[in-house]
This record gives sequence, C-alpha cells and structure tokens, in this order.
Amino acid sequence: QKEVEQNSGPLSVPEGAIASLNCTYSDRGSQSFFWYRQYSGKSPELIMFIYSNGDKEDGRFTAQLNKASQYVSLLIRDSQPSDSATYLCAVIGDDKIIFGKGTRLHILP
Amino acid sequence: NAGVTQTPKFQVLKTGQSMTLQCAQDMNHNSMYWYRQDPGMGLRLIYYSASEGTTDKGEVPNGYNVSRLNKREFSLRLESAAPSQTSVYFCASSEGGGAFFGQGTRLTVV
Repeated sequence: QKEVEQNSGPLSVPEGAIASLNCTYSDRGSQSFFWYRQYSGKSPELIMFIYSNGDKEDGRFTAQLNKASQYVSLLIRDSQPSDSATYLCAVIGDDKIIFGKGTRLHILP
Repeated sequence: NAGVTQTPKFQVLKTGQSMTLQCAQDMNHNSMYWYRQDPGMGLRLIYYSASEGTTDKGEVPNGYNVSRLNKREFSLRLESAAPSQTSVYFCASSEGGGAFFGQGTRLTVV
C-alpha cells in the first residue's frame, strides 16, 4: 500500500512568521507531488505542484522536493490568518492520486 | 466554467437504501476520482477512472460501485447503505497533474 505521511498538527505559527509543512511518501517511483489547502467545510484547492528535485516558488509559497529522501515540504512566508487551514500533501502513482491525512495550520494573530 | 459539479450536496439515507452520487466535469479531463473524507482520516480513494471506459479500485472500494458513463461523467453508487458510509464524498478530475474537486456531498446513513 503506497502511503503519504504528514504530521496531523495542529501547527501554530505567529502571524508574519514562516510556516513549514512536511510530507514523506513511500513509493520511490512517484513523479508528481502536490499541495492542497482545505478550509473547514470546503473542498481541497490545489496551491502548488512540483515535479523536480529542488525548490519551486510561487508568491509566498515554496515547495521543496527531495526524491532521494522521499520528502516534500511546503513553506509559507509572511503567514497570514487567512492561511489557517488544513494542508494536504498528494502524490501521483499508477494513475492514482494518494493523499496524506493533512496538517492543520493555525496562524496566531 | 463550472469545473467539477457534484449532486446532491446533502443526503440522508436509511440503512439498506441505495443511491447514486453524480459527478460531471467540463474540463475535458481524462482522469476522474471518488474520495471519501472522514475526521482524522484524510482523503481516501474509493475508485478512479484513468480514462473513459476504465475504472479501478482505490483504497476503500467495498460497498461501492462506479460507472464512467462518458468522458464527462463518473457516478458512485451505494447499493445498500451502511452507517459506516456516513462521510463527505468528493469527486475530482485531473489531466496528468493536480486534481480539481467538486463541492462535496455530505452523506448521513441512519
């Protein structure tokens, strides 16, 4: 069974600080990696994707991938109260998208 | 552009009743998925369809059936609902990349 692991949190971060969310995956053959944000009672929303080792930046978000360590992370700079949500890591393998259980992030005003 | 549309948004069933959850996407995506989300369990894949005419089991397929009616539509059927199937169900579609989700169906089985 291919797995995606995340710390469930909650992760509490002061407003304006950097939030760091982590994810590990079991399938070494995985090629595509995604981060979703889900507000309470809403559907998941795609915020970042990364396919190659290294960093990918989009505004306040940076995704980092290390395939050798099977590790994906998401950094949120200048955290805002509106960033408070559950963040889901997802991996594509064999045509399936497998999700981690998500990390609850709470930005403290 | 509606994206992914699920119906209904809410449903209450009695144990043993059957129902079909409908999903349609207008993004011309080949892949479609059904997930269920329970507190503390994240999104668990029920069934998926990599292309029109194909369906495959995910992590938790027992008690469900699916139909990929055409490229746009992918339905999920509960033949005999059980309380353990109380959950929020999400349909999603993708085209080789990240998935786009419908609004979800909140299903309660009593």
